[in-house]
Amino acid sequence: KAGVTQTPRYLIKTRGQQVTLSCSPISGHRSVSWYQQTPGQGLQFLFEYFSETQRNKGNFPGRFSGRQFSNSRSEMNVSTLELGDSALYLCASSEYGTANNSPLHFGNGTRLTVT
Amino acid sequence: SQELEQSPQSLIVQEGKNLTINCTSSKTLYGLYWYKQKYGEGLIFLMMLQKGGEEKSHEKITAKLDEKKQQSSLHITASQPSHAGIYLCGADLNNAGNMLTFGGGTRLMVKP
Repeated sequence: KAGVTQTPRYLIKTRGQQVTLSCSPISGHRSVSWYQQTPGQGLQFLFEYFSETQRNKGNFPGRFSGRQFSNSRSEMNVSTLELGDSALYLCASSEYGTANNSPLHFGNGTRLTVT
Repeated sequence: SQELEQSPQSLIVQEGKNLTINCTSSKTLYGLYWYKQKYGEGLIFLMMLQKGGEEKSHEKITAKLDEKKQQSSLHITASQPSHAGIYLCGADLNNAGNMLTFGGGTRLMVKP
């Protein structure tokens, strides 16, 4: 099976702009989660979607949003970009979720640089 | 302090030596996951531990979960340069499914 695919791989944006990142989960996986990784804060949970519904949300401002489509593909959007949003954004998929003993499998991430 | 603490933060070992990385939680563990990351890349799933006392092995890597101590350890036997990378433990601390909390990571270097 193909792994989790994230596009684009790299992105450079200017403060105030918005950005959309895309994630295609492993075939058959219905849960998609997003994480932000920075040198200072480490890996932090953004949100999780299962069957097009947001199940969990981390402690991030409303500028960070996401959605999941009927084919389980997911997108996350960040509006009004700030310098502090520069990070590696990782998407992970699982069949049902960790509560049901199905681990997360991560993509290679999108590295976002805000200038 | 962080909810999930990893130690040590970094480790340099000679090829062939054994090593152990620890992950300690300040909260109840509902599931513990070990991942490996090469710099700037995604996380590679290593092992999942769900029950107290559980121990799993894959090739030269063994992970154990001590539920009472709220702690997990990752042990690498006869380390090789291919083991180099950042090891991250992640845990479900809220019994909320995919909302994992991660430790700060352990950076491992293996000298040939």
